[in-house]
Amino acid sequence: QVRLVESGGGVVQPGTSLRLSCAASGFTFGDYGMHWVRQPPGKGLDWVGIIHYGGKNMYYADSVKGRFTISRDNSKNILYLHMNSLRVDDTALYYCARVGYGQDGGDHWGQGTLVTVSS
Amino acid sequence: HELTQPRSVSVSPGQTARITCSGKTLASQFSYWYQQKSGQAPVLVIYKDKERPSGIPERFSASSSGTTVTLTISGVQVGDEADYYCQSSDTLGIWTLGGGTKLTVL
Repeated sequence: QVRLVESGGGVVQPGTSLRLSCAASGFTFGDYGMHWVRQPPGKGLDWVGIIHYGGKNMYYADSVKGRFTISRDNSKNILYLHMNSLRVDDTALYYCARVGYGQDGGDHWGQGTLVTVSS
Repeated sequence: HELTQPRSVSVSPGQTARITCSGKTLASQFSYWYQQKSGQAPVLVIYKDKERPSGIPERFSASSSGTTVTLTISGVQVGDEADYYCQSSDTLGIWTLGGGTKLTVL
């Protein structure tokens, strides 16, 4: 079955960097676009960005543009989120989600990894 | 948020819950709905305006009219208590998410 497992979260100081990973299994990873979505504690979902299936097209929310980069390794079935210049308001649970076949929704989500940015 | 949802909706068990989502982009883009129970990841319950993924009960349905889409949950159960989010997507795959609606089953 489809499985997405995020990792790499932790407590970091403002201005530092962090890389999140999302390990995919149970499907042909290279055939699907992937999203990152975050959720600050006690708040709603906040879209971060998308990488298309080939890995050449990425789009980002304005709040992370220029600081975050999404990449993927289709040979290892891993999605990445490289986060630079982290700010306190980047504190959130970060989810990866698979784009559903023939649609634009997220049909499978991981359980999330928590990033806390604090001095 | 460019998609507007009510912050909360309350219903009694067995009643029908309706959650709306409004936004200009909905007139030209498909809508999607997610259910997020406390402490869990979101689950897709409606895609492409009114389609139900496998495993989602028939009690969940949705409709679309112009710039407003509505998620309807018939015969609400206590287990349906959750936050519900609407979402749209442009041609590049860029998502817009609603602020979420907390469904309380009294």
